[in-house]
Amino acid sequence: NAGVTQTPKFQVLKTGQSMTLQCAQDMNHNSMYWYRQDPGMGLRLIYYSASEGTTDKGEVPNGYNVSRLNKREFSLRLESAAPSQTSVYFCASTVERNTEAFFGQGTRLTVV
Amino acid sequence: KQEVTQIPAALSVPEGENLVLNCSFTDSAIYNLQWFRQDPGKGLTSLLLIQSSQREQTSGRLNASLDKSSGRSTLYIAASQPGDSATYLCAVPSGGYQKVTFGIGTKLQVIP
Repeated sequence: NAGVTQTPKFQVLKTGQSMTLQCAQDMNHNSMYWYRQDPGMGLRLIYYSASEGTTDKGEVPNGYNVSRLNKREFSLRLESAAPSQTSVYFCASTVERNTEAFFGQGTRLTVV
Repeated sequence: KQEVTQIPAALSVPEGENLVLNCSFTDSAIYNLQWFRQDPGKGLTSLLLIQSSQREQTSGRLNASLDKSSGRSTLYIAASQPGDSATYLCAVPSGGYQKVTFGIGTKLQVIP
């Protein structure tokens, strides 16, 4: 029962470095999401993929790119990390929109 | 714009007490409402999902109610245990994939 798996769990980057956060789900869900969680704020949507082959911007997409590699995998890339991107990142999946969401364990990213 | 408020922000109760967590939303045009728990340093775990046509949903010691007209949901936890200590969040989808609004959560501590 893996559900949604994210890697890595922790990462420290220097300003300007790039990295890719990986996410995979084994529930045959169509839709996948990337959120960030910051203290005192609710989760905010960065990008989502309604179905394989499609991606769309969410509330806070600037500084990020995504790839829906196949139905299982949805990656988030930071091309040039900035301290403002220090956050906890969560990947989630749903069968389709407005259905029960399942979350990964998160990636705690620090940009120094 | 949908706004979700969870009050109180933190709650401390002795073991064995019954308790109620609150979630309020400003736009009643919702598809459903989902309750999650989040343990420190972990992802969100789905607890209950109430469809907009339902009044309540139960799972074990948890009971969630929904009153769309007043923009409120409550999560009732019976006979609380120390293992219930976590942050509880509610989330409300109001339309498209990106229209899911999360509350900031209520941090619950159950004291043995």
